[in-house]
Amino acid sequence: KAGVTQTPRYLIKTRGQQVTLSCSPISGHRSVSWYQQTPGQGLQFLFEYFSETQRNKGNFPGRFSGRQFSNSRSEMNVSTLELGDSALYLCASSPTSGGVEQFFGPGTRLTVL
Amino acid sequence: QKEVEQDPGPLSVPEGAIVSLNCTYSNSAFQYFMWYRQYSRKGPELLMYTYSSGNKEDGRFTAQVDKSSKYISLFIRDSQPSDSATYLCAMRSNDYKLSFGAGTTVTVRA
Repeated sequence: KAGVTQTPRYLIKTRGQQVTLSCSPISGHRSVSWYQQTPGQGLQFLFEYFSETQRNKGNFPGRFSGRQFSNSRSEMNVSTLELGDSALYLCASSPTSGGVEQFFGPGTRLTVL
Repeated sequence: QKEVEQDPGPLSVPEGAIVSLNCTYSNSAFQYFMWYRQYSRKGPELLMYTYSSGNKEDGRFTAQVDKSSKYISLFIRDSQPSDSATYLCAMRSNDYKLSFGAGTTVTVRA
């Protein structure tokens, strides 16, 4: 079974721009969660989508948004990028909402200049 | 104050030593306690999880949860160079949100 895939793997943007990241979950998994990982803050939960509905949301500003499609693929969008948004963005899939075992993708490394 | 506190290390041990990792937390609603391992340039992968208090063993790995002290531990026996990675504790509350520790970087020297 193919694992979680994320595209692109690396991205460089400048302040003020917006970015869209994509995640394809493991086949059959309906839950997709997004996380931001930085050296200072560690892994922080952004939001979870299950069957195209946002189920949970972390403490991030409204510039961070997401959506999930009927095939369970998910996208995350960050608008008006700030330098502090530079991070590794990880997506994880699970068969159920809030599943204890999250299957993570390799992440997208975003650098904001 | 963060909900989950984890010493980032780094921790360096010789091959064959016991690696001891721990996390403390403040949210008494946490029910599931997990340990993830993350190799460089990879996403985290689940090592093991425990529901509520108690111990759980899986091969060379032992997880312990003490809910009264809000303290969890992971022990790695007979450590190998292939165990060199970042280890993250994670916890889930009843609202299904996962909270992660900052991760401890472990190096096992051959």
